[in-house]
Amino acid sequence: EVQLVESGGGLVQPGGSLRLSCAASGFTFSDSWMDWVRRAPGKGLEWVANIKPDGSEKSYVDSVKGRFTISRDNSKNSLYLQMNSLRAEDMAVYYCTRSLDNWGQGTLVTVSS
Amino acid sequence: DIQMTQSPSSLSASVGDTVTITCRASQGIANYLSWLQQKPGKAPKALIYGASNLQSGVPSKFSGSGSGTDFTLTISGLQPEDFAIYYCLQYHSYPRTFGQGTKVEIK
Repeated sequence: EVQLVESGGGLVQPGGSLRLSCAASGFTFSDSWMDWVRRAPGKGLEWVANIKPDGSEKSYVDSVKGRFTISRDNSKNSLYLQMNSLRAEDMAVYYCTRSLDNWGQGTLVTVSS
Repeated sequence: DIQMTQSPSSLSASVGDTVTITCRASQGIANYLSWLQQKPGKAPKALIYGASNLQSGVPSKFSGSGSGTDFTLTISGLQPEDFAIYYCLQYHSYPRTFGQGTKVEIK
């Protein structure tokens, strides 16, 4: 069974940083594209970023380019999202997904002073 | 960016009804379209990929069709557990983009 468990969310001030992690199991992580998707309060789903199985290719939505970095450690079956220069509009539940097919339960990021 | 427009934004239906949700892409995406379901407080669940292929374990009451720019999701025989928000998602181009969602409510 595919399992994706996010962690690292919390309260951060505007301009601050946070690193999200996603622990994956139940599938061959090193063969899988991985994505981050978020849902802000009262809004719909927004794709954030994805990364190729070997980590050689990464893509981002424009609103996070230069601030967020997606990465992975295939030896630890883990996906990460480093979030810097956080803004109020980044506040959301962040989901780790395997190719947008399997989804974790999400971790809440709150950006507020 | 490819814009995905869903209609309706919300609908009310009764248990046992059949409902159809449409999704239109601002440019052709072949069949690179998924449908997802999200219930309150829960993670999204993928229902359909490739416009018409059921994800493993998804009941056949869900069906998808379309190609190019116009797509539909049909839910037959609505049950209480089907009341949720449904999203379409294009994965033809970057950035991946979702429709705004369709809330299916109990009449």
